[in-house]
Parts: sequence; structure tokens; C-alpha cells
Amino acid sequence: EPEVTQTPSHQVTQMGQEVILRCVPISNHLYFYWYRQILGQKVEFLVSFYNNEISEKSEIFDDQFSVERPDGSNFTLKIRSTKLEDSAMYFCASSESTDGYTFGSGTRLTVV
Amino acid sequence: SQKIEQNSEALNIQEGKTATLTCNYTNYSPAYLQWYRQDPGRGPVFLLLIRENEKEKRKERLKVTFDTTLKQSLFHITASQPADSATYLCALDWMDSSYKLIFGSGTRLLVRP
Repeated sequence: EPEVTQTPSHQVTQMGQEVILRCVPISNHLYFYWYRQILGQKVEFLVSFYNNEISEKSEIFDDQFSVERPDGSNFTLKIRSTKLEDSAMYFCASSESTDGYTFGSGTRLTVV
Repeated sequence: SQKIEQNSEALNIQEGKTATLTCNYTNYSPAYLQWYRQDPGRGPVFLLLIRENEKEKRKERLKVTFDTTLKQSLFHITASQPADSATYLCALDWMDSSYKLIFGSGTRLLVRP
């Protein structure tokens, strides 16, 4: 069964450092998303991406965040200057249409 | 503002019984509603989608209903098994945006052998 692959599985970074979280969506999917989940809380929408541009973004997705699809397979989330409150599990997802997302296993980001 | 509510208390049932989970929403009429399963430390896994013009959808032991008048969806697992123990998330498309799926906080299901 096709999978969404995320790397790394765990990232520890110093506050103020930049991090890039990487995702390889399912190859024939057209829609890409980033979500995050702070420990013990709900899965929160960050951003959606379609046709090489951002379709929607949440209030969380401020100027410190950016997304890119640098080539035909990768989809990245960059946090420019990490804060302690950015510590969370970050999930990438993709979908063929707007139905039924396939999520990756996540990257656990710890900001110290 | 729009709100999605799922029972925050865990549902604890005996193996073989039917589990019924509830998702309520307010101040909004979604075009569709989705259910996901999430295991600890893992990403959500898509289970079922039901559209606003559908009353019921089934897949194997799973059944979802969608009542747009009550603004409620019910998710049923029949003949439940310990392996069904997980957190179940309800998700709705947000306002007129097809590109923004918003999740409820989930209900934890525990199936006792």
C-alpha cells in the first residue's frame, strides 16, 4: 500500500534554530498538507498546498513557517526560528482529491 | 464560531459489543465528514467519508451516519475487538474550503477482551 514518508522521525533543535521537516507524498496525489499535534492535544491544521501554491493556511502558520515542493517528490515544512512552543508532532498528509487523507508517521520536533 | 465536539471521556466496552462514538458540530454545515483512527505516536488513518447528502455509509464492521438536521455523526464499530482500541477522530471540511480539514479532539475507545 502506498505510504507518505516523513523524515526525520525525531528532531531535537535549539531554540532559535531553523528546521526543515521533509515529506514524500504518495506519487499520484495532488493535494498536500501539514498538521501538527502538541502532546495530548488535537490534530491542528497548518497549511494545504495544491498546484504549487498554498491553498489555505491557519493562524498558526505565520511568517516563521514556509512550505516548498522543491522537486516532483518532496514536500517540506521549514520553521525559520524555532520556539519552545513549536515542540510537537508534525504530520504530513496527501490526498488524490479532497477526500480521505493519507498521513505519514510524523516527525517529533523537540525544541530545547 | 465553528465547533466540533467529541466525547472526551474514554469509551470502555466489552469485546463483541458495538461501540458507538459521537461527533457533534455547531454553526456550520459541512459538505462532508470523515472519520480517522489514531494510535499513540502515529498519524491518523482514514476510515470513512460521508457526504452531506448521504445518510449512512458502511465498510466492513464500520458504519457512519450523518444527520445534518441534528448536526451530528455517529460512528459504529460492530463486533468490536481489542485491536479496535484506539482514538477515533472526526474531521470536517472547513467552511467553503475543500482544502482545510479540521479535526475534533477524538474519543478514546478501549475494548476489553
